[in-house]
Amino acid sequence: AQSVTQPDIHITVSEGASLELRCNYSYGATPYLFWYVQSPGQGLQLLLKYFSGDTLVQGIKGFEAEFKRSQSSFNLRKPSVHWSDAAEYFCAVGPSKLSFGAGTTVTVRA
Amino acid sequence: EAGVAQSPRYKIIEKRQSVAFWCNPISGHATLYWYQQILGQGPKLLIQFQNNGVVDDSQLPKDRFSAERLKGVDSTLKIQPAKLEDSAVYLCASSPWTANEQFFGPGTRLTVL
Repeated sequence: AQSVTQPDIHITVSEGASLELRCNYSYGATPYLFWYVQSPGQGLQLLLKYFSGDTLVQGIKGFEAEFKRSQSSFNLRKPSVHWSDAAEYFCAVGPSKLSFGAGTTVTVRA
Repeated sequence: EAGVAQSPRYKIIEKRQSVAFWCNPISGHATLYWYQQILGQGPKLLIQFQNNGVVDDSQLPKDRFSAERLKGVDSTLKIQPAKLEDSAVYLCASSPWTANEQFFGPGTRLTVL
């Protein structure tokens, strides 16, 4: 069965500091991996996705993620956080029947 | 390009009442999904349609939930009768085909009292 674990429920980071969100997955074959962001009262917006190829994936809003098969991980990073990055972040594994992690809430302090 | 539309955005009902949600996917998207997102959790897939056929409804509580996608476009999700534990956000998503990026609507927040 496929599943996703996001070990960090809540992360607080200072504006301008770097951010890393962890994601570990379980999937029997080559996974399709996604990171989504959800602002309060909004639907989910795709930040980036990995299907195959280069294991370092660039996304929108300055985010990137690295696929590490040996560690079953797909961690999300951003070098410098902006106040508008405060939101909830979900990692998901596919390809079509997506399984989501429980999410990580990011708080940005001035 | 218009996104995925959902209505209503909010709904409050008493337990044992019925409720219906509507979703209009992005034009041309063959695949449509309904997810349930309980507070503090990630979305959970309820049902997946490919055109107007059901691909996966293994996690749909069929004794009270039903969904249809007439003519392979719009979709409705119904709960009858509702229970307290059905309080959640119901998200609709669509994609051009399976195994591709899913585009999500804003969701319908259901509160069952």
